[in-house]
Amino acid sequence: KAGVTQTPRYLIKTRGQQVTLSCSPISGHRSVSWYQQTPGQGLQFLFEYFSETQRNKGNFPGRFSGRQFSNSRSEMNVSTLELGDSALYLCASSSDRGEEQYFGPGTRLTVT
Amino acid sequence: DQQVKQNSPSLSVQEGRISILNCDYTNSMFDYFLWYKKYPAEGPTFLISISSIKDKNEDGRFTVFLNKSAKHLSLHIVPSQPGDSAVYFCAAIDSNNAGNMLTFGGGTRLMVKP
Repeated sequence: KAGVTQTPRYLIKTRGQQVTLSCSPISGHRSVSWYQQTPGQGLQFLFEYFSETQRNKGNFPGRFSGRQFSNSRSEMNVSTLELGDSALYLCASSSDRGEEQYFGPGTRLTVT
Repeated sequence: DQQVKQNSPSLSVQEGRISILNCDYTNSMFDYFLWYKKYPAEGPTFLISISSIKDKNEDGRFTVFLNKSAKHLSLHIVPSQPGDSAVYFCAAIDSNNAGNMLTFGGGTRLMVKP
């Protein structure tokens, strides 16, 4: 079975721009979660989507948004980028009630 | 307020010996715990998990112990191998809360010396 894939792997943007990251979950997984990893804050939960609905949301500003499509693929969007948004963005998928989440390789976003 | 803590930022162990990584949590609603291994510039890799109804779970060289009264869990790696050198994260879930939100500890960097 193919693992979780994320595109792009690396991205450089400037302050004020917006960015869209994409995630394709493991086949058959309907839950997709997004996490942000930074040196200062560690791994933090952004949001989770299940069957095209946001099921859970972390403590991030409204500039961070996401969506899920009918094929379970998910995108996250960050608008009005700030320097502090530079991070590794990780996507994870799991089965309907599976606690184990399987992570993709991440997208490294650098904001200059 | 950190609900999951890994108080040792790093650990160095000789190859062949036991590695013990520790994790403490404060939220008594957490009922499922996981350990992940992470290499730089890669996503975390799932290692092993444990439900709060158990106190031990084994998978090959990896064993996780859970002490609910102390709100403490540990990951034992025996024997340790140089390829185990990575950052290890513990994570917790409140499965009664809708969704699969993982709360992570800050990580422990394990270095296994040949």
